[in-house]
Amino acid sequence: AQRVTQPEKLLSVFKGAPVELKCNYSYSGSPELFWYVQYSRQRLQLLLRHISRESIKGFTADLNKGETSFHLKKPFAQEEDSAMYYCALSGQGKAAGNKLTFGGGTRVLVKP
Amino acid sequence: EAGVTQFPSHSVIEKGQTVTLRCDPISGHDNLYWYRRVMGKEIKFLLHFVKESKQDESGMPNNRFLAERTGGTYSTLKVQPAELEDSGVYFCASSAEGRAYGYTFGSGTRLTVV
Repeated sequence: AQRVTQPEKLLSVFKGAPVELKCNYSYSGSPELFWYVQYSRQRLQLLLRHISRESIKGFTADLNKGETSFHLKKPFAQEEDSAMYYCALSGQGKAAGNKLTFGGGTRVLVKP
Repeated sequence: EAGVTQFPSHSVIEKGQTVTLRCDPISGHDNLYWYRRVMGKEIKFLLHFVKESKQDESGMPNNRFLAERTGGTYSTLKVQPAELEDSGVYFCASSAEGRAYGYTFGSGTRLTVV
């Protein structure tokens, strides 16, 4: 069965400090991994996906297949990064590639 | 372009009552998905429509939940009768290509069953 685990429910950091959100997954195959973000009073939106290997809003995430992890990192947190972050995966193939399995989410609070 | 619209944004009902949630996807998006997050748990997949057909309903929790998408446009999710454990946020998403990376989510409906 596929599963996504985000061990931290809350991360509180000061502005300018590095932030790392942990995500581990289990999946028998080659999944596609995503980070979604939900800012206050806004809808859930895609932040980044591992295939694109890009940096969005200063965030990066590297897929580590050996450790089955997809941690999200930002070297200098900003107050506007305060939000709920969800790690998610989808499988390969027509059916599995359609739906997402989410982790429990990590709330990030960036203090001034 | 208009996004994915869900209403109501918030619904409070008594146990045993019926509630119908609605989702209007982005125009032209054949793929429509329902997810929900119950208190303290992960966001979980409920089902997937391709046009008016149910492609995958493996996440529907029980037969108190009925989803429809007549005409392949908007979708409704009816809970009848509602139970306390149905409380949570119900999300709808749509996509053009039917791949997870192409989702656009709605803002969700917060359902509270008392």
